[in-house]
This record gives sequence, C-alpha cells and structure tokens, in this order.
Amino acid sequence: GEDVEQSLFLSVREGDSSVINCTYTDSSSTYLYWYKQEPGAGLQLLTYIFSNMDMKQDQRLTVLLNKKDKHLSLRIADTQTGDSAIYFCAERTSNSGYALNFGKGTSLLVTP
Amino acid sequence: DAGVTQSPTHLIKTRGQHVTLRCSPISGHKSVSWYQQVLGQGPQFIFQYYEKEERGRGNFPDRFSARQFPNYSSELNVNALLLGDSALYLCASSLEGIDGYTFGSGTRLTVV
Repeated sequence: GEDVEQSLFLSVREGDSSVINCTYTDSSSTYLYWYKQEPGAGLQLLTYIFSNMDMKQDQRLTVLLNKKDKHLSLRIADTQTGDSAIYFCAERTSNSGYALNFGKGTSLLVTP
Repeated sequence: DAGVTQSPTHLIKTRGQHVTLRCSPISGHKSVSWYQQVLGQGPQFIFQYYEKEERGRGNFPDRFSARQFPNYSSELNVNALLLGDSALYLCASSLEGIDGYTFGSGTRLTVV
C-alpha cells in the first residue's frame, strides 16, 4: 500500500527488544493492525488497535499509536529466534470501507 | 476449531486459462475477503463479501470475480490469466468484516 510505509529490514540479537515502525498518511484510519508472516505461510494477526487508543499491550507485544504524527510501532520484548518473520502494518480507514491497506512489510531477523 | 481453509494450496496454470480458488471461513464468520500478495509486497485487497453481498472491491480488472455461498464459503475466479497474476492469494474471514481479520495460508498460483 502506497499510503503505509515501513522500513524493510531489522536485525536484533536474541533477548533484545525489537521495535518495528510504521507510518500512515490517512488521518481517517479507524483500526490499525499488525500481522506476522512466516516463509510460505499466510498472515497471522498479532494485534490491532482502535484509533482512539494510544497503547495496547498483549504479553510480549506493545503497540504504540501517535495519531499526531500518524506513527504506529510494534515492540516485541525478549525477542526470540522464532520471531524471525515479516511483519506487516495495515490500516482500515473510513475511506477504504472494509479493505485493509498494507505496508510492504518489515523483515525481522533475530540472531542468536 | 478449524481456521480459515483455502484450496488448493498450489496451482500451476497456463496463460489464458481460467482458475477458481476456494475459501472456507471460520465457523460463525460471515465475512470473507480476498487479497493478492505478489512476492516481496504486502497483500492487495481484491474483494470483500458479507452475507453473500459484495461489500467492497479493490482496483482489479473485471477478469477477477468472486461470490459467497449461503454457508459463507467463497470462490475467487480469475479469467484469461496473465503472467502477472502469479501470486499468493489470501482469504481472510471475520465476524462482520469490521474487526480482526483471520487469514488462511493462501493459494500459490503460478501462471506460465
């Protein structure tokens, strides 16, 4: 999706925290999602946040939303090698109806 | 509970042929969406159906069509296949199409 931007690659050491960033341009975004995709697999929904929230925490995952800057981040605490995958940010806006608009994905590599 | 199931998992077709992809949503989910994911890109929205009615359509040519059946399963049809139609086709289901979307593992279509 041309309106959702993510850095393409992130490398972290096992046990460290990972922070994956996403920017979006549509201020009418209602829901923002994080999906994980492992090689050869479909998309796994990790978490989503409604646009009237600033933060959402779910076990090792923390999502922060800065509506002013249209910035979304996903923090993974105590990153494990099994977290290596591609992470997609997606938005659903009042203009897009029910469609999700995805970024190109951030490839996370966790090294021992 | 079974997740979203898609069939077939892999498919090879020749240019100009027709293809039908199938999706069964999670039990109780009434909405099915279709996405196309080209290698190295994020998924692109094709269609969404809710209660057997088309509720959204992405920027895809008329060669792409879909339908939803009374049991909420869905088919995606693509006519006159082009090489550029080679992609992973993902189906997503949700309760009403406004909350978290659960994706299947996809159908890998190769057009030769």
